[in-house]
Amino acid sequence: EPEVTQTPSHQVTQMGQEVILRCVPISNHLYFYWYRQILGQKVEFLVSFYNNEISEKSEIFDDQFSVERPDGSNFTLKIRSTKLEDSAMYFCASSVGRGTDTQYFGPGTRLTVL
Amino acid sequence: QQQVKQSPQSLIVQKGGISIINCAYENTAFDYFPWYQQFPGKGPALLIAIRPDVSEKKEGRFTISFNKSAKQFSLHIMDSQPGDSATYFCAAKPLQGSGGSNYKLTFGKGTLLTVNP
Repeated sequence: EPEVTQTPSHQVTQMGQEVILRCVPISNHLYFYWYRQILGQKVEFLVSFYNNEISEKSEIFDDQFSVERPDGSNFTLKIRSTKLEDSAMYFCASSVGRGTDTQYFGPGTRLTVL
Repeated sequence: QQQVKQSPQSLIVQKGGISIINCAYENTAFDYFPWYQQFPGKGPALLIAIRPDVSEKKEGRFTISFNKSAKQFSLHIMDSQPGDSATYFCAAKPLQGSGGSNYKLTFGKGTLLTVNP
């Protein structure tokens, strides 16, 4: 069964450093998402991406964040200058369409900012 | 108004028992209500979903009950098994909205279910 994959599984970085989290969505999916989950808290929407542009973003997704689909398979989340409060599990998701189409989640990347 | 409130935070059930997790929402634009199941080290996976035009949806041992007037919905797991032990998230999303607001899922805080053998 196709699945969303994410790399790395765990990333440790120093505050102020740039990190890139990578995702490979399911191949025939057109909509891509990033969510994050701070330890012990709920899963929060960051951004959705369709047709090579951001379709919606939350207030969390400020200028420090950017997303890109550099080729036909990868979808990346970049955090330019990490803060301690960026420490969280970051989930990539993808769906065929929007509406009731299922969003399939990857296993996540645990980001630890020291 | 965008929140989805989920309870309880944790739940312990004996094997064979019924697990019930409740969620409430305020945003009347929410039109699609999925439940996700998450095992340790994995991402959330869709378990079952409902739209508010029906009051109940059943898939195997899992049932969603929906009360549109109360803006509440719940997940019932019948004959709970140790393999059901996981974190369960309710979520909600508008299906129609302006400016592409029907992309994001709004999640509850999750319920850690433990089913004892």
